[in-house]
Amino acid sequence: NAGVTQTPKFQVLKTGQSMTLQCAQDMNHNSMYWYRQDPGMGLRLIYYSASEGTTDKGEVPNGYNVSRLNKREFSLRLESAAPSQTSVYFCASSEVIGTDTQYFGPGTRLTVL
Amino acid sequence: QKEVEQNSGPLSVPEGAIASLNCTYSDRVSQSFFWYRQYSGKSPELIMSIYSNGDKEDGRFTAQLNKASQYVSLLIRDSQPSDSATYLCAVCIDNTDKLIFGTGTRLQVFP
Repeated sequence: NAGVTQTPKFQVLKTGQSMTLQCAQDMNHNSMYWYRQDPGMGLRLIYYSASEGTTDKGEVPNGYNVSRLNKREFSLRLESAAPSQTSVYFCASSEVIGTDTQYFGPGTRLTVL
Repeated sequence: QKEVEQNSGPLSVPEGAIASLNCTYSDRVSQSFFWYRQYSGKSPELIMSIYSNGDKEDGRFTAQLNKASQYVSLLIRDSQPSDSATYLCAVCIDNTDKLIFGTGTRLQVFP
């Protein structure tokens, strides 16, 4: 039981490049989330998926897209990376949206030059 | 005003002491409150959740909620150096079903 897994762990991009962050959970959770964490800013929600087939914007969705591929997998795509997207990205999942415990993946440290 | 506010610290306490971490929130209808612990370079992990006014105890940890004052706290008794981490307060904003996190309080427990 791996919990929540994320790939890659580290990534360096040049401005304008695109990439997809992958997330998978094996806990049969319905809801999944993408956060970014910046120094002094705490965790901020980018997008979330309350259940398979649905996605919604969080606090800071600009510059990102998501896909809920199936119940297990939720990917985050940066179409044209910018230095402001340098951050640590965490994926999380929970059995239900909102009031339930969220379990976090190990994070992806992204640097955009 | 930020929706969830925490003092960034660091809060330094000696080993064996009680550490008190505080959090205030702005949304009056919030019903669900969480404390996460995050070690440096690691991901957040849940310590406590609390949903009703009063105290909730789990081992050395006690969460306290006062909805009238819009205040939630975490007490850590018999603090250990292994408790040194950043503690994140999170509040579920009911009308959106999303968690809003505070910026975290860094706790340092010295031997």
